[in-house]
This record gives sequence, structure tokens and C-alpha cells, in this order.
Amino acid sequence: QVQLVESGGGVVQPGRSLRLSCAASGFTFSSFGMHWVRQAPGQGLEWVAVIWYDGSNKNYADSVKGRFTISRDNSKNTLYLQINSLRAEDTAVYYCARDQGWGGGSPRPLDYWGQGTLVTVSS
Amino acid sequence: DIQMTQSPSTLSASVGDRVTITCRASQIINNWLAWYQHKPGKAPKLLIYKASSLENGVPSRFSGSGSGTEFTLTISSLQPDDFATYYCQHYNSLWTFGQGTKVEIK
Repeated sequence: QVQLVESGGGVVQPGRSLRLSCAASGFTFSSFGMHWVRQAPGQGLEWVAVIWYDGSNKNYADSVKGRFTISRDNSKNTLYLQINSLRAEDTAVYYCARDQGWGGGSPRPLDYWGQGTLVTVSS
Repeated sequence: DIQMTQSPSTLSASVGDRVTITCRASQIINNWLAWYQHKPGKAPKLLIYKASSLENGVPSRFSGSGSGTEFTLTISSLQPDDFATYYCQHYNSLWTFGQGTKVEIK
């Protein structure tokens, strides 16, 4: 069965950096686009970034462009999110999710999600 | 950018009720519309995609309809497991969520 397990969250000071990981299993990771979505405390879901199945294309929400970098290692079945210059408003649960397709082409929703990892930005 | 607006924000209902949630897009979105269920501490779950297609394994009491800019999620007979927050999402080259509708026990 499809499993997505996020890790790397924690309490981080403002201005520092953090790298989140998402370990995938139960499917052919290199065939699917992957996303990061976040949920701030008491708020709704916010899409963050997408990466195509082969890493050749990426797209970001305007709110994170320039500070966040999505990447993947298909040999390790792992998705990453590098977050730089952390701000208090980055405090959230970060979810990784699988695209129903390869990330491009015909638009697709997110069909499997992990349970998330909490990032708290605080001094 | 396309904005997605859900209504109501909160909905109080009883087991067995028929429940309808509305999602409006700020422009025509060609039915690239999904619905998700989210419970606290759990992974969100895809229910409906392409406005009306039921995801594998999702109970048939869930249905989606609509086109253009207005869409609905209907739960035909609310079950105890259905109390959760529901999100609509437009997907294309960007993925945009509505603000969510919390379905709570009346």
C-alpha cells in the first residue's frame, strides 16, 4: 500500500534553515509527481510546491517562491523540501502528497498524503 | 490567480442528514476540481476529482457535481465517520484550496 512518511520538523529559530524529507513506499516513486502542502495552526490547507516525476520541472506558491526548494531523489524514493530564512508564518504542519499523475500534462489532484511533520518557528 | 470560496464555513448536522457544501471559483476552471476530507492529526483524503469522479474506495454516499465556477459536494446520509473538515481544490499548474468547511455534530 502507498505510504508517505514525513520527517525533519521541529522547533527552529527565525532566519534559520530546515530540510524536510518524505519517504515513499508502496508505489513506483519515479513515475509520479509529488507535492508539499502545509497547514498553519487553526488555518486551512495551503499548497506549497510540486515537482515532476523526473525532477525536470518545479512550481511554487507565490508565498514561498525564492525561499523554498523542492527536490527529489528517485534512487532513494525520497522527496525533500528545503526551507531557508524561516519566518514565524512558516509555522505549520507540512504534508507531502502524491500527484495522481506525473506532475505535468493533464491536471491531476493529490491522491495520497502523509500524516505530516510539524515545523515551529520560534526564538 | 484563481480564488476558491467555500460555503458555509461551519455546518452543524445530525447522523442521517443530507449535507451539501458549495465551492465557487473566481473564474471558469473546466471541472479541474477536487474534494478532500481532513480529520485532525490525520492525512487528508481525496474523495472526488474532476468535479464528479469518485475516488476508488470512497463510499457512494459522497458525490460531486457542478461545472464552470460553481460546484457542490453532497453527502447523502451523514455517517459518524463523516464529521471532519472538507476542502475543495482547483488543480492545474497551481493547486488552490478553498478555506474549508467544518462539518460538526448538531
